[in-house]
Amino acid sequence: KAGVTQTPRYLIKTRGQQVTLSCSPISGHRSVSWYQQTPGQGLQFLFEYFSETQRNKGNFPGRFSGRQFSNSRSEMNVSTLELGDSALYLCASSTRLAGVNEQFFGPGTRLTVL
Amino acid sequence: AQSVTQPDIHITVSEGASLELRCNYSYGATPYLFWYVQSPGQGLQLLLKYFSGDTLVQGIKGFEAEFKRSQSSFNLRKPSVHWSDAAEYFCAVYGGSQGNLIFGKGTKLSVKP
Repeated sequence: KAGVTQTPRYLIKTRGQQVTLSCSPISGHRSVSWYQQTPGQGLQFLFEYFSETQRNKGNFPGRFSGRQFSNSRSEMNVSTLELGDSALYLCASSTRLAGVNEQFFGPGTRLTVL
Repeated sequence: AQSVTQPDIHITVSEGASLELRCNYSYGATPYLFWYVQSPGQGLQLLLKYFSGDTLVQGIKGFEAEFKRSQSSFNLRKPSVHWSDAAEYFCAVYGGSQGNLIFGKGTKLSVKP
């Protein structure tokens, strides 16, 4: 069974631009969670989608948004990019709501904002 | 608020030596605890988890962890480290009201030959 895939793997943008990251979960998984990983703040939860609905949300500004499609694929969008948005963005999938269930992580998208 | 502390940012051990990575949590109720490992260029992989019951939990790759409620700790151990264990290790607690995982800052493990 294929693992979680994220595209693109690397991305360079400039301040003020917007960016869209994509995540394809493991087949049959209905939950997709997004995390931001930075050296300073570590791993921080962004949001979780389950059956096309946002179920949980972390403490990030409204510039960070996401959506999930009927095939469970998810996209994350960041508008008006700031230098501080440079990070590794990880998505994780699970069969049910993430909660206490095992999450399977993708390799991440490395976003650099110049 | 729930939180996880991993006091050691970086640990170096010799191959074949034993390993213990520390994790302390802050959580009001019975915690659900996890250890994940991240190899360079890879996503995170679940090593083991504790929900309830036996406080000594066995995981993959020869790792185990012990839950100690009195010390609010969930330390990860391995009796004999292999060079392939070099990676970053993250302790996490289920965030309850937030609905997802709260991670520690991670401990980077280096293995000397």
